Amino acid sequence: EVQLVESGGGLVQPGGSLRLSCAASGFTFSNYWMNWVRQAPGKGLEWVANIKEDGSEKYYVDSVKGRFTISRDNAKNSLYLLMNSLRAEDTAVYYCARPTVGAFWYYDSWGQGTLVTVSS
Amino acid sequence: DIQMTQSPSSLSASVGDRVTITCRASQSISSYLNWYQQKPGEAPKVMITAATNLQSGVPSRFSGSGSGTDFTLTISSLQLEDFATYYCQKTYSSPPFTFGQGTRLDIK
Repeated sequence: EVQLVESGGGLVQPGGSLRLSCAASGFTFSNYWMNWVRQAPGKGLEWVANIKEDGSEKYYVDSVKGRFTISRDNAKNSLYLLMNSLRAEDTAVYYCARPTVGAFWYYDSWGQGTLVTVSS
Repeated sequence: DIQMTQSPSSLSASVGDRVTITCRASQSISSYLNWYQQKPGEAPKVMITAATNLQSGVPSRFSGSGSGTDFTLTISSLQLEDFATYYCQKTYSSPPFTFGQGTRLDIK
């Protein structure tokens, strides 16, 4: 069974940093692109970043470019999101999500999410 | 970047109603469009992929149509368990893989 378990969320002051982790199991992690998707309280879904199977390509939504870094450790079956210079508008539940393989991909597995609150 | 616009943003309907939600892309995305359902406190669940493909296990009252820039999600006869928020997402070409802003479907 595919499992994605996020951790690392919490309360952080504006300008601070946080590193989120996503532990994957039940599938060959190194064969999949991986994504982070967030959802601010009471708001919609926002795609944040993704990373290629071997970590050689990374993409970000404009609002986090230069502040967030996505990475992975295939030996540990883990995905990470390092978030620097955090702002109030980064407050959200952060999900890691696995897309299917192929041209017409979709997210078939999601974690339970981890809440990040940016507030003084 | 390609923008995705959903309408309406909210909708009240009754059990048994036929409901249609629209998603429009700011430029052609062929059929690279998925629909997700999200209930409070839960992660999203994929309902329709590649604009028209019903995912395994999803009731046949759900259907998707469209290609290019205009897409629709239709629920032919609403059931209680269908009241949720629905999102479209484009997966065409390169990131960002933008979601629509969501359509909240409430009981009338």
